[in-house]
Formats: sequence, structure tokens, C-alpha cells
Amino acid sequence: KQEVTQIPAALSVPEGENLVLNCSFTDSAIYNLQWFRQDPGKGLTSLLLIQSSQREQTSGRLNASLDKSSGRSTLYIAASQPGDSATYLCAAHGNYGQNFVFGPGTRLSVLP
Amino acid sequence: EAGVAQSPRYKIIEKRQSVAFWCNPISGHATLYWYQQILGQGPKLLIQFQNNGVVDDSQLPKDRFSAERLKGVDSTLKIQPAKLEDSAVYLCASSSGTGQTGNTIYFGEGSWLTVV
Repeated sequence: KQEVTQIPAALSVPEGENLVLNCSFTDSAIYNLQWFRQDPGKGLTSLLLIQSSQREQTSGRLNASLDKSSGRSTLYIAASQPGDSATYLCAAHGNYGQNFVFGPGTRLSVLP
Repeated sequence: EAGVAQSPRYKIIEKRQSVAFWCNPISGHATLYWYQQILGQGPKLLIQFQNNGVVDDSQLPKDRFSAERLKGVDSTLKIQPAKLEDSAVYLCASSSGTGQTGNTIYFGEGSWLTVV
């Protein structure tokens, strides 16, 4: 059974810092992995989707990497801004028709 | 393009009462999901529909939860009778893929349920 964990649970950084959020999954037989953002009281917004054959994906100031062999993905946020403050969740999609399994999220606060 | 619509946004009920949530997915999306998100946790899949058929309901507490997807479009999730531990956000999501390929999924803003 796939389990997804995220460390740290919460992170507070000053504006302008580069930061890394971590996601670990126990079953490396994944189809893809997605990173989502969740603002308070809102649903989830997809940020990046990495297929199992890919090593990384980039969108603006965001870069996500995937290492299936070690069961890890990282989300790198460059030059953080207060507007980046939110909870970031990763979700691993298993092979063989299995659905997304979500991690608990990392709550990010970027201080002005 | 309109997003995933959910209603009501907020609901407070007493335990043992019933509640229903409605979801309208993005137009043309064949796959619809209902997730339960308890505060501080990631979403947990309750049920997945492909058109109007159920693909995965293995984590749906079928003694109290039920869901249907009418004509392969809108969906309703019902809880009867509600328990205190059902207090959570119920998220509806949709995807243009089959659900087997892990396409990007789009979430609604959620229905917040408090059971007192």
C-alpha cells in the first residue's frame, strides 16, 4: 500500500529565500507524481505533474524533481514571495489503475 | 472555462442527521472524484466515477456514505447518518483522462462539514 509523507510539516522563511519541500513515497511503481497548492478555505490547484519517465518539470519559479529509485520528489521554489504562502501537497499516482495517494502537506509561510 | 462547482460550501449538522453535497465537474470531463480531507491531512479518495460508472469505491464507508453520478455529469455525495468523525472538507475533482493515466485533476473549493 502506497504511503506518502512530506517533511517538514511547516516552514517559515523570509521573503526572497529559495526553498525546498520534500515528498517521499514508499512504492516506487508510480505512474506520475503531482504537486498541488492549497490556500486556506480553498480546493487544490495543480502546480506540476511529473511523469514517471521524467526527472523534473519546471513552471516559472517552481521546479519539481522526481527520483523513483529513492522514492523521493522535491519542489524547489525560487525567490519566495508572500503570495507563495499556502499548503503544498504531493500526490503519487500508482501503476495498474491505482489512484492518487496524497501526502499530508507542508504549510509554507513566507514573511515580508 | 468554468471550474468544478460544489455546493453547499458550508454545512453544520447534528450527529445522526443526513447531508448531501452536489458537484458539477468541468464540462467534458469523464472522470469525477470525491475526496475527504480532514484538517491537517491530505485528501483521501472516497469514490471515483468514470462517466456514470463507479471505478473505485474501496474507501467509501458504504454503511453511511453513498454517491451517484447522474447521466455521467453531476454528482451527489450523501452521508446518513452523520458521525462526529465525518467533520471534514469534501472535495470534488474532475479529470479529462480515464483516471488510469494520472492526468491533471481539477478540484472544486470544497464543502465544509461540521458535525456537532
